[in-house]
Amino acid sequence: DQQVKQNSPSLSVQEGRISILNCDYTNSMFDYFLWYKKYPAEGPTFLISISSIKDKNEDGRFTVFLNKSAKHLSLHIVPSQPGDSAVYFCAASWPTGNQFYFGTGTSLTVIP
Amino acid sequence: SQTIHQWPATLVQPVGSPLSLECTVEGTSNPNLYWYRQAAGRGLQLLFYSVGIGQISSEVPQNLSASRPQDRQFILSSKKLLLSDSGFYLCAWSVTANTEQYFGPGTRLTVT
Repeated sequence: DQQVKQNSPSLSVQEGRISILNCDYTNSMFDYFLWYKKYPAEGPTFLISISSIKDKNEDGRFTVFLNKSAKHLSLHIVPSQPGDSAVYFCAASWPTGNQFYFGTGTSLTVIP
Repeated sequence: SQTIHQWPATLVQPVGSPLSLECTVEGTSNPNLYWYRQAAGRGLQLLFYSVGIGQISSEVPQNLSASRPQDRQFILSSKKLLLSDSGFYLCAWSVTANTEQYFGPGTRLTVT
């Protein structure tokens, strides 16, 4: 059972525009969320996190928004750059858990 | 700074052959360690995690096993590989459970 879902397998955006990647989860116990970026044949790289006590966290061009009532989070990249082209994974965990649950990923292509 | 190593980077093995993938972490003590698999077109599936030497938890029944003979060494093994074991294997570490995980470069395993 997929507890973390990324329903868009791919997304294309023009350079300079905003990229919005979405993630939904089913377990209301999740309280900590991560976004990772992955290039082909490499390990994922941690991007940004958010705790359930917040609804927004910003780091440079990357902002993560959390809507707990909708069990939804999103990653905004502004402005998008060609180097942002990669697969993005969201992940979630709960307070007493020992693991993160990962979504299936969204492949972002930023068109120059 | 902390560094995580995985080897080999790529591996082609026949069905029925054994497997040993190694992961080591530098620059930290008593990390949580994880083995993930990413099958083609799929998300990250947690296979094993370890909170200390000799402590292994398995998340998915399979013909794989893991061991942690030293604090910063994590080994993924199989006695007899199946075709379905093909995939991209990732090792990761974290300071504690429910904190960001940092991934190694991965091993591309092809079982023929």
